[in-house]
Amino acid sequence: EPEVTQTPSHQVTQMGQEVILRCVPISNHLYFYWYRQILGQKVEFLVSFYNNEISEKSEIFDDQFSVERPDGSNFTLKIRSTKLEDSAMYFCASSSYMGANQPQHFGDGTRLSIL
Amino acid sequence: AQSVAQPEDQVNVAEGNPLTVKCTYSVSGNPYLFWYVQYPNRGLQFLLKYITGDNLVKGSYGFEAEFNKSQTSFHLKKPSALVSDSALYFCAVRGGSARQLTFGSGTQLTVLP
Repeated sequence: EPEVTQTPSHQVTQMGQEVILRCVPISNHLYFYWYRQILGQKVEFLVSFYNNEISEKSEIFDDQFSVERPDGSNFTLKIRSTKLEDSAMYFCASSSYMGANQPQHFGDGTRLSIL
Repeated sequence: AQSVAQPEDQVNVAEGNPLTVKCTYSVSGNPYLFWYVQYPNRGLQFLLKYITGDNLVKGSYGFEAEFNKSQTSFHLKKPSALVSDSALYFCAVRGGSARQLTFGSGTQLTVLP
């Protein structure tokens, strides 16, 4: 079964540094998402992306965050200047159609640790 | 705004017994409801969804969920639990014009041999 793949599985970064999290969505999917889960807390929506632009974003997704689909397969989340509170699991998801009845398929996540 | 509540942080059940993991939701308009399961060090795996139609929906691994509009609930059930069902279960909702999934806080299910 096709899967969403995320790299790296664990990223350790100094506070203030830039970090890029990478995702390869399922190949025929058109809609892409990033979520995060701070340890012990809920999974929270960050952003959705379709047709090379952001469709929706939450209040968490401020100016330090950006997303990009640099080629036909990758979908990236960039955090420009990391803060301690950015430490979390970051999940990428994709779906074949943004209709509300389509499930989103998730990757295994990247654990981001900010020192 | 949409929200999901999972009132139990932890559910323990003996192997072979039926299990229920509770979920209630709040959303504007028609709800689209989902259950996901998370095994250790893995992502969220889709189990089942309710969109419309029959209130009882069936999903992967023998799980099912019952949609109750009057109680705004979408409880996850399985007639006979397996030890391998032990995992973290998340209920999620989309509704109205929102595209994003809103998740509950998760319920840790432990099936005891």
